[in-house]
Parts: sequence; C-alpha cells; structure tokens
Amino acid sequence: DTGVSQDPRHKITKRGQNVTFRCDPISEHNRLYWYRQTLGQGPEFLTYFQNEAQLEKSRLLSDRFSAERPKGSFSTLEIQRTEQGDSAMYLCASEAAMNTEAFFGQGTRLTVV
Amino acid sequence: AQSVSQHNHHVILSEAASLELGCNYSYGGTVNLFWYVQYPGQHLQLLLKYFSGDPLVKGIKGFEAEFIKSKFSFNLRKPSVQWSDTAEYFCAVDAGNNRKLIWGLGTSLAVNP
Repeated sequence: DTGVSQDPRHKITKRGQNVTFRCDPISEHNRLYWYRQTLGQGPEFLTYFQNEAQLEKSRLLSDRFSAERPKGSFSTLEIQRTEQGDSAMYLCASEAAMNTEAFFGQGTRLTVV
Repeated sequence: AQSVSQHNHHVILSEAASLELGCNYSYGGTVNLFWYVQYPGQHLQLLLKYFSGDPLVKGIKGFEAEFIKSKFSFNLRKPSVQWSDTAEYFCAVDAGNNRKLIWGLGTSLAVNP
C-alpha cells in the first residue's frame, strides 16, 4: 500500500459524458502529479500541483480537462465531453519534496464507449 | 524535446539468467534518473534512482543501474532474475530538475520458472 488512493478504480462512460476522478495523496506530500498511460506506452505527464497551486499543464491537457487541488490535499481531474481517445489509465502520484520519491496510486482506468 | 528510449520492449528469460535493460535519454543538462517497476495488477513502484554521486546505484530486490553520462544511458541490471521479477519496467528522466518525469515505453519482462 503506497498510501496514494485513487477513486474510482474503474470507470466506464458513454462518449460525451463528463467524468471526475479523485486522488488522495500521502498526507503532507505537497507535490501532486497526474499522468495518463495508454496501452503499450509509458505514463505521460498531464499536470502537477505544489500545494494548491497548479504549476504546469501539459499540452495533452486540452480545454476539456481540468484539475484542481483546492485545499492542497486531495485533487480532482475532470474530463468534460469524453471522447474515445480519452480511454486510458489515469495515474496520480505524490511527493514530499524535490529530490524525493514519487509514490503512485493504482490508477483509474477510464473506458469511453 | 526530451525523450527516453528503452531498447527492449519484451524480454523473456529463464530463472537465474542475468538481466540488462537499456535506457537512453536525450537531454544535455543535469538529469535525475529513475527505474520504476509495475508488477501485474499493481501500482508503479520505485526500484532505484540516481540524483548525483556514485554512478552505480543499487536499488531494491537486487537491482542496480549504472549512469554513464557520456552515453546518456542508465541501464538496469540484475545478475540473477527470479520468477517474481516478471513485471513491466519503466525508465524515467527528470530533466532540468523540474520534477516532470519523462518516461520510456517500458519493457515487459517475463521470467520462466
């Protein structure tokens, strides 16, 4: 158990619907990352937070994607108007500080049908 | 653009065989280097990391990796693999110390008992 929790573990949704994923990082980890992983690929960076501030967003994160970390603890990732190409594993990781280890959750597998 | 290349996508070994997985990255400046492992059905876990100092890094479960700056490489090794090492192995690079990991495509290792 890494301590990073993601909910739900699996989500099947119809194309066009909105979905929201939640990540609870390890307590007191101030850095939180979202990655996306598709079959046969390594994880791709989406965005990261230091406390409640979103410091960087990938170009992969289109305007249909939004992430928040309102109180600097848990984070949500919302995808609006889902498309089949959004089907992937969405990974969350947290880190206490720079030059330390990033701990990953088990991910949320999204399937858009 | 920064990139990470893992040379072997699928490796099949017998128990007690030696393992070497190649990883090369493209970035001319300071890098932090990581190997992560993902066992079937589990989350990504850190095997080992290199930030500075001795370029030969020892990790968990008997794994080690050597950073060769001149070759932009960080190859993973284990002298004698076990069936329990069957997993997906990912090399990742944090270029410029910005903590945004760039990942290789992964190597799927199957160890036959």
